[in-house]
Amino acid sequence: AQKVTQAQTEISVVEKEDVTLDCVYETRDTTYYLFWYKQPPSGELVFLIRRNSFDEQNEISGRYSWNFQKSTSSFNFTITASQVVDSAVYFCALSGHGRSASKIIFGSGTRLSIRP
Amino acid sequence: EAQVTQNPRYLITVTGKKLTVTCSQNMNHEYMSWYRQDPGLGLRQIYYSMNVEVTDKGDVPEGYKVSRKEKRNFPLILESPSPNQTSLYFCASAREPGPQHFGDGTRLSIL
Repeated sequence: AQKVTQAQTEISVVEKEDVTLDCVYETRDTTYYLFWYKQPPSGELVFLIRRNSFDEQNEISGRYSWNFQKSTSSFNFTITASQVVDSAVYFCALSGHGRSASKIIFGSGTRLSIRP
Repeated sequence: EAQVTQNPRYLITVTGKKLTVTCSQNMNHEYMSWYRQDPGLGLRQIYYSMNVEVTDKGDVPEGYKVSRKEKRNFPLILESPSPNQTSLYFCASAREPGPQHFGDGTRLSIL
């Protein structure tokens, strides 16, 4: 069975600090996809990244970066120089391949608070 | 403007009264899906669709039906709603597997 664990329920940091959100997953599939989503206090869901299991290169997008490590089944998300607008709940998610590529499970989320 | 539109945004109804939550996307996406979000239970997938007439169950399909007769529309049907279906619902679409564009959400209260 597939599983996504976000052990950090809540994190609070001061603005401009770097912060890493952890995501550990379990799957028996050799091909799978990993995702991160953001849900700000306003409630909408925002897609951040989709990563194929064959692509272990780290990804950077502005202040956001993602570290995918197959050896530890982790897909961690780092925000550099955090800002108040980064305050949100962040979800990590996992899907399979083929017909199951669209069947997705989410972690329980990490609530990130950035204090000014 | 590229968007996923859900209606209604809010609905209070009673047990057993059939209801449909509509979802429409204007991006010609093949993939569409439905989720519910509950405090303490997080986000859970209800159904997904990979194209017209192709739908599959997610993690929590019981009590729900979907149809995909047209590419742009993916309605969620509650034939006999019950109080445990009170939740916040999101529809999503994408060009590839995995939700990327979400609707604004529908808050359903079943009394």
